[in-house]
Amino acid sequence: DQQVKQNSPSLSVQEGRISILNCDYTNSMFDYFLWYKKYPAEGPTFLISISSIKDKNEDGRFTVFLNKSAKHLSLHIVPSQPGDSAVYFCAAQSGAGSYQLTFGKGTKLSVIP
Amino acid sequence: EPEVTQTPSHQVTQMGQEVILRCVPISNHLYFYWYRQILGQKVEFLVSFYNNEISEKSEIFDDQFSVERPDGSNFTLKIRSTKLEDSAMYFCASREDGPRFFGPGTRLTVL
Repeated sequence: DQQVKQNSPSLSVQEGRISILNCDYTNSMFDYFLWYKKYPAEGPTFLISISSIKDKNEDGRFTVFLNKSAKHLSLHIVPSQPGDSAVYFCAAQSGAGSYQLTFGKGTKLSVIP
Repeated sequence: EPEVTQTPSHQVTQMGQEVILRCVPISNHLYFYWYRQILGQKVEFLVSFYNNEISEKSEIFDDQFSVERPDGSNFTLKIRSTKLEDSAMYFCASREDGPRFFGPGTRLTVL
């Protein structure tokens, strides 16, 4: 069962434009969401997170939006840079006592110079 | 900047052999985790560890798996009798009270 879904396996964006990566979830118990970036042969690197009490969190070029009613979140990167090319994982956690972090399958972002 | 380290970076083993994957979490972190990623699939939770005991484990983490914190710095994952399907990247992670920080991973290849 895919509790966290990233339906786009890949995305190509021109340098300088906005990258929008999407994530949907099915478990209404999830209340904390994270985005990780992963380069080949490296571990996931934490990017940004959002708690379910918020609908937006911004950190520099990265903004995460959460729509709880739609069970949808998105990561916006603006402006996109070639160094942003990586696989981006959406992850979710339930605060109700679970230590598990559930990952999506990832979206491979390619930023074209 | 402190980071999670893992050794070895690549481990090749024969089916049925025991392997131990090692991790050094960030020093002031209290929660420790193992995840794995089979090639082409998503990152999957294996086990969490807090206060010297397993807090939670997934159905993947069966009797063939065990974890240990043998001293104040290392956190190990042991697979007693490896199977072909154990071939994957294994990631260790740790956290204090915020997001998990992941290590670079150990690529396990079971032949």
